[in-house]
Parts: sequence; structure tokens; C-alpha cells
Amino acid sequence: DQQVKQNSPSLSVQEGRISILNCDYTNSMFDYFLWYKKYPAEGPTFLISISSIKDKNEDGRFTVFLNKSAKHLSLHIVPSQPGDSAVYFCAAAINSGGSNYKLTFGKGTLLTVNP
Amino acid sequence: KAGVTQTPRYLIKTRGQQVTLSCSPISGHRSVSWYQQTPGQGLQFLFEYFSETQRNKGNFPGRFSGRQFSNSRSEMNVSTLELGDSALYLCASSLGLAGVGSGANVLTFGAGSRLTVL
Repeated sequence: DQQVKQNSPSLSVQEGRISILNCDYTNSMFDYFLWYKKYPAEGPTFLISISSIKDKNEDGRFTVFLNKSAKHLSLHIVPSQPGDSAVYFCAAAINSGGSNYKLTFGKGTLLTVNP
Repeated sequence: KAGVTQTPRYLIKTRGQQVTLSCSPISGHRSVSWYQQTPGQGLQFLFEYFSETQRNKGNFPGRFSGRQFSNSRSEMNVSTLELGDSALYLCASSLGLAGVGSGANVLTFGAGSRLTVL
């Protein structure tokens, strides 16, 4: 049972345009949602997160939107740059006690930004 | 400062063997989490250790085990290897228990150990 789904295995956009990466989840108990970026031969790196009590969080070119009623979140990258080409993982976190969270990741979406 | 270091980076084993992977967290980080990445399943949580104690566990069989030492370094072991265990095993560390937001408790990942089982 996959609780976090990234239904698009890949996405290709032109440099300067907007990239929109989507993620759906099934468990309404998730407290936080995170996005990680992974380059080949490197580990994933944290990008941005959003609390379940918010609907938007912005950090520079990256904005995450959360629609709780639809159990859907998206990552917008504007403008997209060739260096953004990577695999993007969506993750959902549930509190497992105190300040400890257990993360569930999606399968990832490969973003390719063409010059 | 040095990042999360995983060894070995690549290894090949045969079915039935066992394997031990090592992870050195960022200096000062006390929590180590392990994940398995496969093309079909993405990143799947194995377990988290904090102060030498397992704090969280994923849905993997008992063949997968881990431990953490007093210096926060961690090892994971897979016994009786199966073909399906071929994967990239990622270790991540955090200052405290794995958290969220943009602080030091967000997971910082190593580059992984790629295991191939023949």
C-alpha cells in the first residue's frame, strides 16, 4: 500500500519555464511534507518542507503548495534552470513521539530542464 | 564539515551470503536512519537509531538488522541475501531524532552503498 505517490516518473521542461512536480498521499495523519532532490551518485538533499497546517511555503525559486482536501501537494520551480535536473522525492512525515518523525517517501520524479 | 560517509560504495554478493554496511554520520549528529532505494519502490525506511537504541523500524524482514555505536557510527546487516535485496542503501543522519522543517533535525543523506546480489 503506497501512501505517498508520485505518478509522473519523469518530466521535461524548457529552461526559464515553470516546473510543477506533483505528489498525492493517502494518510490524513501526515503532519509535514518535504521535498528532497537527488543528483546521480549523490544522496538526496533536503529542499523545502511544509506543515500540514499551511497551504503554501516559499523559498526562493521553490514553492510548495498543499491541498489537504485533495491530499495533494506540488512543488513549483520558477524559473527552471538546467542545474535543477535531478530526481525529486516527495516525503510525508508522521509524528512518532516527541519531536521524532517517521518519513514515507514517494518513488521520485526525474526532472530534466533543457537549455 | 564532513558529510555522511558510507562504506563500501559498491559491493557484489551472492545469494545466501550476508553483508555489513557502515555509516559515519556528520560530526555531532546522534541519529542515524537507513533507507533502501530501488527503482520499483523508491525510498523505503528501514530503521532509525539514536543514542545506540533503535527508535523506529520499517516493514522489513528480520534479515535486516542494524546497530549504533557510542560514537554514533552505525552499521546495518543483511543476512541470507536474496536477489531482491539488490538496491542502493542510504544512510542519513540528523542532530536529534529525525525531524522536519529546515533545521538540523532534517535528514542529511550519504551517497549510499550500492549492493548487487547475484
